Amino acid sequence: EAGVAQSPRYKIIEKRQSVAFWCNPISGHATLYWYQQILGQGPKLLIQFQNNGVVDDSQLPKDRFSAERLKGVDSTLKIQPAKLEDSAVYLCASSLEGGANYGYTFGSGTRLTVV
Amino acid sequence: DAKTTQPTSMDCAEGRAANLPCNHSTISGNEYVYWYRQIHSQGPQYIIHGLKNNETNEMASLIITEDRKSSTLILPHATLRDTAVYYCIVRVAYGKLTFGQGTILTVHP
Repeated sequence: EAGVAQSPRYKIIEKRQSVAFWCNPISGHATLYWYQQILGQGPKLLIQFQNNGVVDDSQLPKDRFSAERLKGVDSTLKIQPAKLEDSAVYLCASSLEGGANYGYTFGSGTRLTVV
Repeated sequence: DAKTTQPTSMDCAEGRAANLPCNHSTISGNEYVYWYRQIHSQGPQYIIHGLKNNETNEMASLIITEDRKSSTLILPHATLRDTAVYYCIVRVAYGKLTFGQGTILTVHP
């Protein structure tokens, strides 16, 4: 099966600019996750969707980050305005039924550099 | 979710077994032990998970102690491609997957 697709692969922006990342999960996976991974750290969950509804966004900095999953398939994560500390890899993952058995399948991520 | 403790780094010779330990002394009865790994510039990859019994698949074996307070991931014949960060995570069946710092495993020729 096709994996989780993410784009772009890399992005460099100046601080205070906006940026958007796109994710296409595995077909049929109802649950979608966005993680942020700062260099040298493990991934941190930002937001979890079940179909097109938000299940958990407690770690999402809502003053600058937003995410949507229209029609319960593709998802976009936006940062506006970006700060230097937002430099990280943004990982998208998807799973069947919350990943009870086989966990999540991750994409390769988008590496964001804010200068 | 219970927290885990892993060594920061480990080395292993190619062809030998790699045994990665994980301590999860506060694990609850309904929490599973999951292992993921992350190869450089890729997203994390699921390896194996278990509740009480030892588990084996094509990638690895998972040994969970009887009191469930610790576990060991075993890569039976490590190759250079197994060099990665290995994460031990405990979670309930539909709970969040929360990553710690993981163990950097380096496989040497």
